[in-house]
Amino acid sequence: GAGVSQSPSNKVTEKGKDVELRCDPISGHTALYWYRQSLGQGLEFLIYFQGNSAPDKSGLPSDRFSAERTGGSVSTLTIQRTQQEDSAVYLCASSRIQGDRDYGYTFGSGTRLTVV
Amino acid sequence: TQLLEQSPQFLSIQEGENLTVYCNSSSVFSSLQWYRQEPGEGPVLLVTVVTGGEVKKLKRLTFQFGDARKDSSLHITAAQPGDTGLYLCTGFGGSNYKLTFGKGTLLTVNP
Repeated sequence: GAGVSQSPSNKVTEKGKDVELRCDPISGHTALYWYRQSLGQGLEFLIYFQGNSAPDKSGLPSDRFSAERTGGSVSTLTIQRTQQEDSAVYLCASSRIQGDRDYGYTFGSGTRLTVV
Repeated sequence: TQLLEQSPQFLSIQEGENLTVYCNSSSVFSSLQWYRQEPGEGPVLLVTVVTGGEVKKLKRLTFQFGDARKDSSLHITAAQPGDTGLYLCTGFGGSNYKLTFGKGTLLTVNP
């Protein structure tokens, strides 16, 4: 597609429920990233996928968080047993190549997750 | 972890005024990028600076990369309401793919 597409745009869930957030990157972009943005905080790196390499999961805050990228394209971020501190905007970004200094990252509009 | 400090955190000015926001680190970056994020949207790349001392201009926006490649500034001339947004800087360092983002400067330009 022309841009990075994320769904849903907004999600309200009850504490303890599982949620799935979807990211559809730009076609042909080999690298895909998930970030989390909380009010007053910067963008917090969560996970990175590059081609067929093993993902870098070093930013995932707990084992309740997991992500997959199927067929080198669409990615799903899953949060199990959601907690109120998981409330944030989850941003997905893709880039042509790892560390693209020329074109940077293209971000989606994000999923605003609210855990009540 | 390479940290980026942005200042000021908040800035509210009147249309037509000039402003400068800063991005500082104790680490050296091979390059720095500036993004602007509007409410409800993801960040959008404005510019990449690569060479120490480099100055890039985009219309009313002037970006400078410090000589030591540890800091950068963004100067806006004659600010307009359309410049309102969160300005984020990020650097390419040792781990090229895990971009380190500052917390940003939230700019409000009042008509």
